[in-house]
Amino acid sequence: GENVEQHPSTLSVQEGDSAVIKCTYSDSASNYFPWYKQELGKRPQLIIDIRSNVGEKKDQRIAVTLNKTAKHFSLHITETQPEDSAVYFCAARQKKSSGDKLTFGTGTRLAVRP
Amino acid sequence: DAGVTQSPTHLIKTRGQQVTLRCSPKSGHDTVSWYQQALGQGPQFIFQYYEEEERQRGNFPDRFSGHQFPNYSSELNVNALLLGDSALYLCASSLGYGQGFQPQHFGDGTRLSIL
Repeated sequence: GENVEQHPSTLSVQEGDSAVIKCTYSDSASNYFPWYKQELGKRPQLIIDIRSNVGEKKDQRIAVTLNKTAKHFSLHITETQPEDSAVYFCAARQKKSSGDKLTFGTGTRLAVRP
Repeated sequence: DAGVTQSPTHLIKTRGQQVTLRCSPKSGHDTVSWYQQALGQGPQFIFQYYEEEERQRGNFPDRFSGHQFPNYSSELNVNALLLGDSALYLCASSLGYGQGFQPQHFGDGTRLSIL
């Protein structure tokens, strides 16, 4: 089955700096890669996603890049703000003929220092 | 536009008991997936329901079962509860598979504690 590895497990940056979180996946059949932000005690919220036929996608301060050959994808947050502090999860979706599921990474705890 | 709603929010059970968790999908969604999130971990896929049938299942024992109703809502049942079943149970809804890259939207979850 699919295996998703995520690094780093914790990340601390100064407000205004950039943050980068990296994930690798094992199943070349995975074709959709969402990123979720989860604040303490709250639901995971989808912040950006990318399909396997796209190399990069950007939404304001957030961008995701995908390298299908190397089977890795990354989340980039620019001009970080204290409200960006949360746990971020990457995921890979395996599309099979009778359903699809998300396999999640282990999460990155991002702390933005004011 | 109502999002994914789950009930109850918290639940305390003892070992050996049975529990039922409920989920109503986001308006317009017809597919429900269930995930287990242990403390400090990423969500783990349990199973997915579409058209009232289990379509795919993760590595969870048969003690975990589910159901989807004609109105697309869903239940997760866990029998013979173990201490290791303590976790946050998340429901996610989406608009069917086979219809492109539809994102999954999560509910707030049910926090299950086993004593």
